[in-house]
Amino acid sequence: GAVVSQHPSRVICKSGTSVKIECRSLDFQATTMFWYRQFPKQSLMLMATSNEGSKATYEQGVEKDKFLINHASLTLSTLTVTSAHPEDSSFYICSAREPTSGVTYEQYFGPGTRLTVT
Amino acid sequence: AQSVSQHNHHVILSEAASLELGCNYSYGGTVNLFWYVQYPGQHLQLLLKYFSGDPLVKGIKGFEAEFIKSKFSFNLRKPSVQWSDTAEYFCAVNSVAGTALIFGKGTTLSVSS
Repeated sequence: GAVVSQHPSRVICKSGTSVKIECRSLDFQATTMFWYRQFPKQSLMLMATSNEGSKATYEQGVEKDKFLINHASLTLSTLTVTSAHPEDSSFYICSAREPTSGVTYEQYFGPGTRLTVT
Repeated sequence: AQSVSQHNHHVILSEAASLELGCNYSYGGTVNLFWYVQYPGQHLQLLLKYFSGDPLVKGIKGFEAEFIKSKFSFNLRKPSVQWSDTAEYFCAVNSVAGTALIFGKGTTLSVSS
């Protein structure tokens, strides 16, 4: 199946700094990628939908200025957590959707990025 | 708004036992249903999916799920679990193919050998 990578896998940063997380589709082009956040023992919560060449669509309650998403190419979307605070510590997961896969539009998930803000 | 509930938070089984994990969704229209598995330290993998047709769906690794529209349910089953099935299982739904998924809270399955 298709492969989605994320970098870094783990990052520790100080409060007030910014962190960039990359999501790449390695063997297919993804016009749409999704960013999720997962708290311990909790479900994955959709943060935003990232579309190549256009602005991301954020879910209600997600701060656009804090979680900057850029989908500059068909294989790369980035999530930048700006002015990070300890409450931003979480597991961030991206998924990528193949542009054409029949009616199913299967999504492929990255391995996730563990962000710890100290 | 759509939501997904998974009834079992943590299930503990012995090898060879049968498994059924419950999943119910709340949405009145057409839905697409998924089960994902997350093995320790690994990324989410698709076990099976339902879009239309036969409500009994067979997936990888011997898993199957049955869509019961009248009950808004999509329960996951496996007749005989193995130790290697120890993982976190997530039920998910979307209403339009290709849109973001709404996930349940997940069920942790622990299988003892």
